[in-house]
Amino acid sequence: AQTVTQSQPEMSVQEAETVTLSCTYDTSESDYYLFWYKQPPSRQMILVIRQEAYKQQNATENRFSVNFQKAAKSFSLKISDSQLGDAAMYFCAYRSSLLSGNTPLVFGKGTRLSVIA
Amino acid sequence: DARVTQTPRHKVTEMGQEVTMRCQPILGHNTVFWYRQTMMQGLELLAYFRNRAPLDDSGMPKDRFSAEMPDATLATLKIQPSEPRDSAVYFCASGLQQGLRTDTQYFGPGTRLTVL
Repeated sequence: AQTVTQSQPEMSVQEAETVTLSCTYDTSESDYYLFWYKQPPSRQMILVIRQEAYKQQNATENRFSVNFQKAAKSFSLKISDSQLGDAAMYFCAYRSSLLSGNTPLVFGKGTRLSVIA
Repeated sequence: DARVTQTPRHKVTEMGQEVTMRCQPILGHNTVFWYRQTMMQGLELLAYFRNRAPLDDSGMPKDRFSAEMPDATLATLKIQPSEPRDSAVYFCASGLQQGLRTDTQYFGPGTRLTVL
């Protein structure tokens, strides 16, 4: 079974600075998807960014980018120019890319990010 | 703006009572997931459906939990009887799978359940 590990339960960053959240995963599959979800105090799960394992290019979405190291099974999230609204719980998630289609997500335990004004 | 809806948003009940949570997936999505979030276990899959058929419910305690999709616009999760350890936030998510193309999963706002 696949597992996702987020080794940083809490992180903090100064406003306008850059922070990197770590995620590692374990799988025997060669094709899969990786995601970062943000969960603010409202509890809503918001997709931040996704990466297809077959793509070598790291995904970017405005101030959010990932460093995907397939051989090392590492998938870190970099937040640039941090804003107060970025304060939230961040979850790394794995999804198998079986031919059967949309499969369940396997989540890490999360990293709570605080942004200091 | 299409979104997944869940009702109720909050539920407080006493141990032994039946609880029903409802989810309306995004129109046109054919895959529906139920996840549970607790402090101890984090986010874990309870069950999921494709085209209304259950594909995996191994994450659910079978003796008290049941999940159904009466139609394509409604998914339900029932707990009977409820226990204090069922206190959690229950999320519904939906997505689209067409052929080999798979879509992102979109989450509802969750139902916060408290069992006293």
